[in-house]
Order: sequence, then structure tokens, then C-alpha cells
Amino acid sequence: AQKITQTQPGMFVQEKEAVTLDCTYDTSDPSYGLFWYKQPSSGEMIFLIYQGSYDQQNATEGRYSLNFQKARKSANLVISASQLGDSAMYFCAMRGRIIQGAQKLVFGQGTRLTINP
Amino acid sequence: DSGVTQTPKHLITATGQRVTLRCSPRSGDLSVYWYQQSLDQGLQFLIHYYNGEERAKGNILERFSAQQFPDLHSELNLSSLELGDSALYFCASSVDMPGNSGANVLTFGAGSRLTVL
Repeated sequence: AQKITQTQPGMFVQEKEAVTLDCTYDTSDPSYGLFWYKQPSSGEMIFLIYQGSYDQQNATEGRYSLNFQKARKSANLVISASQLGDSAMYFCAMRGRIIQGAQKLVFGQGTRLTINP
Repeated sequence: DSGVTQTPKHLITATGQRVTLRCSPRSGDLSVYWYQQSLDQGLQFLIHYYNGEERAKGNILERFSAQQFPDLHSELNLSSLELGDSALYFCASSVDMPGNSGANVLTFGAGSRLTVL
């Protein structure tokens, strides 16, 4: 079974600082994908970044980067130069390889990030 | 705008009633996923449809049912509603190419917030 663990229920960071949100995962499937989503107070789920298990380099998308350590089974999200608009709930998620149809995305419990001015 | 349309955005109803939530996937996406987000259970996978066929079931109650129509829109039917069914219901769509492509990102709609009184 696949499992995602986010151990930080909440984090408080000063504006313009970098922040790392922790995510560890567990799976027996050698092929999988890891995702981070942002959920602001308005409620929508916004895709941020994706990392495939066979990707050689860590994924980056603008101010977002994924610190992927396969041996440790961790996929931490790093947000550089944090902004007030980064205040939101952040979810780490994982899905296995798609064979016929697709496999469900399994989510962690989330980390609530608050950026202080 | 994510391209995934969910209606209604908000719904207030009474216990014992039945409601239908509607989802139109992103253009080109064949897969539709339904998730339930509640405070105590987090994000829970309910059901997945691919090109009109049910592909996977998660923690979906027998009182709930779903279908995907030939035009690929999907409906989630919730009946005999209970207070505990109050939650944010998300629909997400994906192209779901075979393998582990980064293109297989779930794009979420804005959600339908159901309140059962």
C-alpha cells in the first residue's frame, strides 16, 4: 500500500525566507510519481510540481523545487523567497504507475504554511 | 481557471435528502476522479472513471454513486445524506497516459462545498 506522511501540521515563516515542507512516502512500486498541491483559503487545489521516480534531476518550477531523496523516500518541497500569497495548506501526494486506466492519488495530511510580514 | 468545472459551488441541504454534483473535465482529459475532503478524514479518494468506465473505487459509501457520460462529464450522486457527509467534494481530471509520465497530473476543479443540516 502507498502512504504519504507529512509531519509538520503547521509552519510559520518570515516573508522572503526560504521554507522546506517535509514529505516522506512509502511504496513497493518501483515506478511512481510525487506531487505537491497548494490549497489556499479559497479552497481550490493548485498543482505546483511533479517528480517522477526515475527522473535524474530534482524538479523545479519557478520558486518551487522538490528535494527528492529516493533512498530516504523523501520528497520535500522547497519554496524560495516566500511571499505572503504562499500562505496556504500544502499537500504532498503520490501515485503509482499507470497501467490500464490509472491509479488513485494518495494524499498526505497536509502542512499549513503561514507567511508573516 | 483550471479548466475543470464543478457545479454547484455551494449546496446546503437537509439530512435524508439526495444531491447531484456535476463535473466537466479539462478538454482532452479522459479520466475523472472524485475526492472528498473533510476536516477529520483529509482528502479521500472516492471513485475513478476513464472514458466512461469505472476503473477504481476508494472509500465510497454505498449511498454514493457516480457515472461518466459519453461527453465525459461526470456526476456524483449522494443520497440519504447524513451530517457527516458535509465536506468539500473535488473532481479532478487527467489525460492518464500509460506509464509514469509527468503529463499525468490531476487537475482539480474548485470543489463543491456540501453542507448537510
